Amino acid sequence: AQTVTQSQPEMSVQEAETVTLSCTYDTSESNYYLFWYKQPPSRQMILVIRQEAYKQQNATENRFSVNFQKAAKSFSLKISDSQLGDTAMYFCAFMSYNTNAGKSTFGDGTTLTVKP
Amino acid sequence: KAGVTQTPRYLIKTRGQQVTLSCSPISGHRSVSWYQQTPGQGLQFLFEYFSETQRNKGNFPGRFSGRQFSNSRSEMNVSTLELGDSALYLCASSQTGRSGNTEAFFGQGTRLTVV
Repeated sequence: AQTVTQSQPEMSVQEAETVTLSCTYDTSESNYYLFWYKQPPSRQMILVIRQEAYKQQNATENRFSVNFQKAAKSFSLKISDSQLGDTAMYFCAFMSYNTNAGKSTFGDGTTLTVKP
Repeated sequence: KAGVTQTPRYLIKTRGQQVTLSCSPISGHRSVSWYQQTPGQGLQFLFEYFSETQRNKGNFPGRFSGRQFSNSRSEMNVSTLELGDSALYLCASSQTGRSGNTEAFFGQGTRLTVV
């Protein structure tokens, strides 16, 4: 079974600065997807960024980028130029390539607060 | 395009009762997954339906069940409610839930409180 670990329950950052959220996972599979989701106080879970394990290039989406280290099973999220609207709980998630379609395993989340 | 719609948004039930939650996926999406979110346990996978068939199931007791209709709408049912069932129940839809179309879109959830 896969496990996802987010070791930072809470983090804070000043507006306009950069912050990195950590995520490690454990799996015996070689093909899988990794995701970062954002859940603001409104509760709506929103996909921030996605990484396919077979791609060596790190995914980026505007101010969001990941550092994917497959051998180390690490998948950190970097938020550049933090904005007040980035305040939310962030979840790292794992999905198997084929065997468990539709099933994601989530970490416990990191609550990020962006301070003005 | 309308997003994932979950109804009701809030629900209060008494121990021992049963409850049915509904999820309408994005039009064209055939996969619907259900998750239970609690402060202590995080997000736990309940089950996933695709084309009216349960394709994956998490480690929850048989009191938790679900189904999917031909229009892809899904319901989950919890019987004999316990206090520990109090949680936010999230539904996610995707086109297939398989590789290449894995992006899941979540609803706003149903907050269930069992008293």
